[in-house]
Amino acid sequence: SQTIHQWPATLVQPVGSPLSLECTVEGTSNPNLYWYRQAAGRGLQLLFYSVGIGQISSEVPQNLSASRPQDRQFILSSKKLLLSDSGFYLCAWSGLGTGGNEQFFGPGTRLTVL
Amino acid sequence: GDSVTQMEGPVTLSEEAFLTINCTYTATGYPSLFWYVQYPGEGLQLLLKATKADDKGSNKGFEATYRKETTSFHLEKGSVQVSDSAVYFCALRPGGYNKLIFGAGTRLAVHP
Repeated sequence: SQTIHQWPATLVQPVGSPLSLECTVEGTSNPNLYWYRQAAGRGLQLLFYSVGIGQISSEVPQNLSASRPQDRQFILSSKKLLLSDSGFYLCAWSGLGTGGNEQFFGPGTRLTVL
Repeated sequence: GDSVTQMEGPVTLSEEAFLTINCTYTATGYPSLFWYVQYPGEGLQLLLKATKADDKGSNKGFEATYRKETTSFHLEKGSVQVSDSAVYFCALRPGGYNKLIFGAGTRLAVHP
C-alpha cells in the first residue's frame, strides 16, 4: 500500500530564516506530487505540483520554491521566510492507481514564523 | 475559471441530527467531484467521490450525488455522531487535469 510522509510535523522559525520541508511517498512509482498551504481558518491553496523528476509548476508567485530531486521526494523551500508564510503545509500525491485521480494527503507540517 | 463554493460554517448539530453541507461548482467540461474531511491537526482524507453526472458517492454513512443540472454535490448524512466533528472540503478536478480545486471548507461541530 502507498504511504506519504512529511517532516517535520511542526516548525517554529524566525522571519528571514531559511525553510526546507520534505515529503516522500512510498509504494508507488512516478506519482504526481503537490504542495498546498492552508492558512488558519482558510481553504487550501495549491502552491506547486510536479509530474516528474525536475518538473515543477508554480501556481502562485511567492518567495517559496519546490524541487523534486528523486521520483518520490518533493521538497518545499524558502531562502527567507516571511510572517505571511505561516500556515499548515500539506503534501499530496496522485497517480495511475488512484481511480478518479483523487489526491492522497500527508499529515502536514504546521509552520509558525515569528 | 473553475471554482467551488461551499456553505459557510460553522455548522453546529446535536448528535443524531441530519446533516447537509451544500457545495456548488463552476467548471467547463466534465469534472470529477470529491469530498475530503480534515480532523483536527491532521491532513485531509478522501471521504467520497463521483466521476460523472448522477453518480452517488458514499462512505461511512455520508452520501453526495453529482448533479450536473444544478452543478451541485451536496454532502448528507442521516445521523451525525460526535466523531464526525471536522472540517469538510468539497473539491473538483477539471476534466483532463491533475489539479484539484478546493472550496473554503465547512467546519462541523456535533454535540452530545
